[in-house]
This record gives sequence, structure tokens and C-alpha cells, in this order.
Amino acid sequence: GGIITQTPKFLIGQEGQKLTLKCQQNFNHDTMYWYRQDSGKGLRLIYYSITENDLQKGDLSEGYDASREKKSSFSLTVTSAQKNEMAVFLCASTTGGGNTGQLYFGEGSKLTVL
Amino acid sequence: AQSVTQPDARVTVSEGASLQLRCKYSSSVTPYLFWYVQYPRQGLQLLLKYYSGDPVVQGVNGFEAEFSKSNSSFHLRKASVHWSDSAVYFCAVSISGSWQLIFGSGTQLTVMP
Repeated sequence: GGIITQTPKFLIGQEGQKLTLKCQQNFNHDTMYWYRQDSGKGLRLIYYSITENDLQKGDLSEGYDASREKKSSFSLTVTSAQKNEMAVFLCASTTGGGNTGQLYFGEGSKLTVL
Repeated sequence: AQSVTQPDARVTVSEGASLQLRCKYSSSVTPYLFWYVQYPRQGLQLLLKYYSGDPVVQGVNGFEAEFSKSNSSFHLRKASVHWSDSAVYFCAVSISGSWQLIFGSGTQLTVMP
């Protein structure tokens, strides 16, 4: 088995600050995802990466940057944190793409902006 | 574009009762359909998936789901729930050739003792 590790688990920032979340997986999966989870809104796709050095925008990419420099890691940057923003960011990986459905998720990183 | 609707934000049932969580999808082609579960303070885990064939699919922990093309639905069922089933359940959809998995808004299930 493998594991997805997200760091940090909790992130508190100030309005306008640039904040970075990191995700590591040891499944040796090609494809990785970043989702945002808001209460009552489910999961919304921010960015995904089919393979190392590839980046694809999801529906919620505005206000975010991503980086996939290694197969095992995928970073997400909030370019300018919004006041009173609160959300959980979930990283996931898979070997076969979204249509196989078998995404493996990390436990999430909770963002609070003061 | 695909979309998923879970009309019930919260469902409360008594332990031992049967359960149905609803999921409706919208897609121009027959999609791949999934149910995920999120236990408190954990990531999402796959419960079951439907690709084709028998419209009733079995998952882990006694869960099953039924695909209906005519109703564009993929409802989740369990014959007898346990308190440990309390969690958030997400329905998701994808299509062949797509790398994206589109999630519904989730249903918070509470099982009362």
C-alpha cells in the first residue's frame, strides 16, 4: 500500500498572503489532483497533473498556481489569500486517470485566512 | 459537461434501518459513476464504482448502488446501517478518456443509536 501526505495539516494566513500547500505520494502514481472542499459545495477541481511537469486547470484554477516538478509531489499555491476564506484542500492521486475512479486521497489541509 | 446532484444535504436514520442516498447525474454519454465516503478527519475512500454491465454494483461494508440510465441516477443503498456508517458520502462521475472526476456536494449521514 501507499500513502498521500499533505503538509501542513493546518495553515493560517493573512489577507493577500501567498500560501503554499504540499502533497507527496508513494504510490508511484502518474496523475495527481488538487481539490477544494467547501462546506455544502462538495469537491471542486483546482488543478491536476497527468504526469511529471504537466499541469491542467480545473474549474476553480483562478487564484491558484500549481507545480509538479517530481512524479511524487504536487504543490498548490494560493496566490493571494482572501479575507475570511476557510476551506479544506484535498490532494489525490491515481494511476489511471479520472475515468478509473480509484483516486487515493490525503487527509486534507485546512486553510484559514484572518 | 458532466454534473452530479445530491439533493439531500443531510440524512438521519436509526441504527438497523435501511438507507438510500440519492444521486442524479447529467452527461451526454453514459458516464462512469462512483460513490466515495469521507469519515471524520479523513480523506475520501472509494466505496464502489460502475463502469458497465449489471446495473447493481456491490461495494464495501454492505453498500450497493443501482445505475438507472432512464432516470439518470445512481442511488446508494444499504439494508441495515450501523453507527459507524456516519460519514459524508459523495457521488462522482467521469467519462471515458477524461482525467477529471466531478463530485456532487455530498450527503452527511448520521446514524442514531
